[in-house]
Amino acid sequence: GAGVSQTPSNKVTEKGKYVELRCDPISGHTALYWYRQSLGQGPEFLIYFQGTGAADDSGLPNDRFFAVRPEGSVSTLKIQRTERGDSAVYLCASSLSGQIAGELFFGEGSRLTVL
Amino acid sequence: DQQVKQNSPSLSVQEGRISILNCDYTNSMFDYFLWYKKYPAEGPTFLISISSIKDKNEDGRFTVFLNKSAKHLSLHIVPSQPGDSAVYFCAAFGAGGTSYGKLTFGQGTILTVHP
Repeated sequence: GAGVSQTPSNKVTEKGKYVELRCDPISGHTALYWYRQSLGQGPEFLIYFQGTGAADDSGLPNDRFFAVRPEGSVSTLKIQRTERGDSAVYLCASSLSGQIAGELFFGEGSRLTVL
Repeated sequence: DQQVKQNSPSLSVQEGRISILNCDYTNSMFDYFLWYKKYPAEGPTFLISISSIKDKNEDGRFTVFLNKSAKHLSLHIVPSQPGDSAVYFCAAFGAGGTSYGKLTFGQGTILTVHP
């Protein structure tokens, strides 16, 4: 597709369960980002990939959160032992290089609800 | 610690008038600022940016002003149109960061433009 694609668009799970959120970036974009947006807040940076490697994971809140991008394209955000506080919209974005401001393209997000 | 703040949660403007959205920041290391627009159920989209070496940047109906001494920026939309109704996020990037995509966002301001 032409834009950043995220699946699922909505995910409801129970506390303690494991969740995977997928992001398919724009073809050819080497930089990929995960952000989290809680209700009433702006997006909050989680992790940045340049190619296959995580160039900056300083935003991951704790070790329950992990993300991979094994082939430098699709990325998966993994959340273990989910907690109610993990409920948020998880946004993925991609850009051509990560070095030109404003070229971030966001997906529609995956809304996670932890009951 | 909210490093980028948008103190007005909402703004209502008549069509044709000027919309002024404000943003304050506390981190003096920020040297690039962006505005994103977000419609419901969509990801944020880039609108306009400004480097700290400038005090104004204009793109069509949109102008961003930066006051470094006051650590304040504003987005002016003239004339406002009903299609401008959205949530507007101010975002900042700091020197020494790993990528221009690692942004710090404000909480957002909901703009409503009435016909």
